[in-house]
Amino acid sequence: EAGVAQSPRYKIIEKRQSVAFWCNPISGHATLYWYQQILGQGPKLLIQFQNNGVVDDSQLPKDRFSAERLKGVDSTLKIQPAKLEDSAVYLCASSPNSGNTGELFFGEGSRLTVL
Amino acid sequence: GENVEQHPSTLSVQEGDSAVIKCTYSDSASNYFPWYKQELGKGPQLIIDIRSNVGEKKDQRIAVTLNKTAKHFSLHITETQPEDSAVYFCAASWQAGTALIFGKGTTLSVSS
Repeated sequence: EAGVAQSPRYKIIEKRQSVAFWCNPISGHATLYWYQQILGQGPKLLIQFQNNGVVDDSQLPKDRFSAERLKGVDSTLKIQPAKLEDSAVYLCASSPNSGNTGELFFGEGSRLTVL
Repeated sequence: GENVEQHPSTLSVQEGDSAVIKCTYSDSASNYFPWYKQELGKGPQLIIDIRSNVGEKKDQRIAVTLNKTAKHFSLHITETQPEDSAVYFCAASWQAGTALIFGKGTTLSVSS
């Protein structure tokens, strides 16, 4: 079974530029999460989707971050304009709906460097 | 909201020794406590989890204990091996399937 796919793996941009990350969850997984992981810290939830609806976006900086999950499958996370403090790894995770064991399956992440 | 504190931030052991990582949580409504292992350049991977109706769970060399009264839980790794070297994260949520709140992580180094 294929895992969670993310792209790009690495991105370097100047501050005030924009960037977009893409995530394709494990087939059949209804729940999708975006986490931000700053170097030396644990992952911090940005947004949680259930199918194509938002469950929790309370920690998403909505003035610069946006995310969508059209058709309840893959998702994109956009940052515009980027700030230096947005340098981090952006992790996408998915989990199944039925018979949920609680396990989140993470992708390898997209590392963003803002200069 | 929930807050998870994790200690120590780094841990160095000799191969074959045991390693213990401890976490405390703030929200008494939390009842799902997983542990994730993250290797360099990879996403976190679940290694063991425990629910609030269980005090201890074991899977081969790893075990997790939960003290709901004190609101803390611990990861125990016995007979450590070099391949156990990684960053370990504890997490908590109010139920399995909801978003996890992670601790800051513990970098475990196992030297042979």
